[in-house]
Amino acid sequence: GAVVSQHPSRVICKSGTSVKIECRSLDFQATTMFWYRQFPKQSLMLMATSNEGSKATYEQGVEKDKFLINHASLTLSTLTVTSAHPEDSSFYICSARDMKGTSGYSYEQYFGPGTRLTVT
Amino acid sequence: GQNIDQPTEMTATEGAIVQINCTYQTSGFNGLFWYQQHAGEAPTFLSYNVLDGLEEKGRFSSFLSRSKGYSYLLLKELQMKDSASYLCAVWGGLTGGGNKLTFGTGTQLKVEL
Repeated sequence: GAVVSQHPSRVICKSGTSVKIECRSLDFQATTMFWYRQFPKQSLMLMATSNEGSKATYEQGVEKDKFLINHASLTLSTLTVTSAHPEDSSFYICSARDMKGTSGYSYEQYFGPGTRLTVT
Repeated sequence: GQNIDQPTEMTATEGAIVQINCTYQTSGFNGLFWYQQHAGEAPTFLSYNVLDGLEEKGRFSSFLSRSKGYSYLLLKELQMKDSASYLCAVWGGLTGGGNKLTFGTGTQLKVEL
């Protein structure tokens, strides 16, 4: 089956530093990857849609200069949290959509295992 | 806009049947997903409905009524390991809905002995 990995799984950083999270599709190509944030006991909130070779599309209220997204290849997207603050502490989850079929499109998203970010 | 509603919490007994409802109002619709999420883990895919009716997959079934903006997830023969959060998500499709998944708040299911 389709596998998506994230690295690191857990990271603790000091306030003011930057953290990079990687999302990889291991056995399929993904033209589109999604980044979500989830606070405790809340649902997933979409932060941005990442398209290979183009700029990411950010959801309303998400600062694009703070959350830098780079989708450099069909198997890798990165999220960099710049100048992190304690309120950025959260569970960050990526997902990838498989390129399938003649239309190059598949309805299912495959989720990575998530990255727990703690900013002290 | 997108609005997806689910009950916050539900409790059921091991071996019983539980139905988790989801209502939605979205600007675009091209299918509804149900995911299971255990604490601290990523969501795992359970079902996808795009046409009206019931889709059965083992102990889990999912129902969709597009005219009513309504879906439910039915879990039979509940097991303790089914204790998790169940997320309803609507896919907006290539147009209108922005080609993205919008999640409901999730229903925390607790299975008791």
